[in-house]
Amino acid sequence: EVQLVESGGGLVQPGRSLKLSCAASGFTFSNYGMHWIRQAPTKGLEWVASISPSGGSTYYRDSVKGRFTISRDNAKSTLYLQMDSLRSEDTATYYCATRRLDYWGQGVMVTVSS
Amino acid sequence: DVVMTQTPPSLSVAIGQSVSISCKSSQSLVYSDGKTYLHWLLQSSGRSPKRLIYQVSNLDSGVPDRFSGTGSQKDFTLKISRVEAKDLGVYYCAQTTHFPNTFGAGTKLELK
Repeated sequence: EVQLVESGGGLVQPGRSLKLSCAASGFTFSNYGMHWIRQAPTKGLEWVASISPSGGSTYYRDSVKGRFTISRDNAKSTLYLQMDSLRSEDTATYYCATRRLDYWGQGVMVTVSS
Repeated sequence: DVVMTQTPPSLSVAIGQSVSISCKSSQSLVYSDGKTYLHWLLQSSGRSPKRLIYQVSNLDSGVPDRFSGTGSQKDFTLKISRVEAKDLGVYYCAQTTHFPNTFGAGTKLELK
């Protein structure tokens, strides 16, 4: 059974950092490009970042470029999102998902507030 | 960025009715490999999104054939025949052809 399990969310002050993890199982993680996608409270889905299967290529939405870093450890079947200089507008549930959106995690809440 | 215009924003339906949701993209979604990476997702209340249809018209495993997807290039439609209670939630179209990947604003399907 395919599973994606996010962790690392929580309440953080503006300007601080947080690192999300997404542990994958049930499929060959190293063969899949991966996304982080977020959803602000009561809002729609917003793509955040993507990474190629090898980790050699990464892509970011403009509003997080220079602040967020997506990475992966294929040996551990784990995807990461390092979030620095957090802003209130980054408050959302963050999902990891496979490249073609066939598998999603349960989501992890990130709240940026003083 | 590719803008995905999804309509209507909400639908009020009776069980057994059929409905259609439209999704129009600002650019062609045909990728260089000839495939069209337009997908339909359903997010039930309090749940993660779940993909129902991939590449315009292919049903994911376990998705009943009451669901169907059609379209090409920039114009796509999701049809649900004989709506059941478990179909309720928010439907999103999504494109993974171009970066940044983008989503429609969603269509909330609720009971009349």
